[in-house]
Amino acid sequence: KQEVTQIPAALSVPEGENLVLNCSFTDSAIYNLQWFRQDPGKGLTSLLLIQSSQREQTSGRLNASLDKSSGRSTLYIAASQPGDSATYLCALKRGSGGGADGLTFGKGTHLIIQP
Amino acid sequence: DTAVSQTPKYLVTQMGNDKSIKCEQNLGHDTMYWYKQDSKKFLKIMFSYNNKELIINETVPNRFSPKSPDKAHLNLHINSLELGDSAVYFCASSRGRQETQYFGPGTRLLVL
Repeated sequence: KQEVTQIPAALSVPEGENLVLNCSFTDSAIYNLQWFRQDPGKGLTSLLLIQSSQREQTSGRLNASLDKSSGRSTLYIAASQPGDSATYLCALKRGSGGGADGLTFGKGTHLIIQP
Repeated sequence: DTAVSQTPKYLVTQMGNDKSIKCEQNLGHDTMYWYKQDSKKFLKIMFSYNNKELIINETVPNRFSPKSPDKAHLNLHINSLELGDSAVYFCASSRGRQETQYFGPGTRLLVL
């Protein structure tokens, strides 16, 4: 059974700092990995999707990496801003057949950027 | 021009009642999902539908039943509501089973 762990559970940093959020998973048979952000009382916003054949994806100040062999992904946020404050969720899609279409989520990292 | 929408946004009801949550997507996607986020904010897949066919059902009580009248809608029906059903329910959709999933704003269900 796939387990997804996100460390740290919470993080508070001053504005302007670069930071890294970590995601680890137990089963490397994944199809893709997706990073989301969730604002309080809101839905999920997709940030980046990395296919299992890819090593990283970039979007603006965000860079996500994937290392299947070690069961790890990182989300790098450059020059953090107060608007980046949110909960960041890592989610995996299983690669095996049998209609395993749902995402398996970690519990998230609650990020606060101090002005 | 909301991509994935859910109604209602909030739902407060008594134990034992039957309720429905509606989901619509205007993205032309062929796969839709329901997720449950519990009080500890943990998200778990409940159902997914692809071309009106149920694909997975992750140990969800049979009091929960998804119904898809067409490709753009996946409604969630819940019978005999229990206190433990209180949670936030998210609908999502994707183009194909392996593509990016887009989430709705969530429906906050409180069972009293």
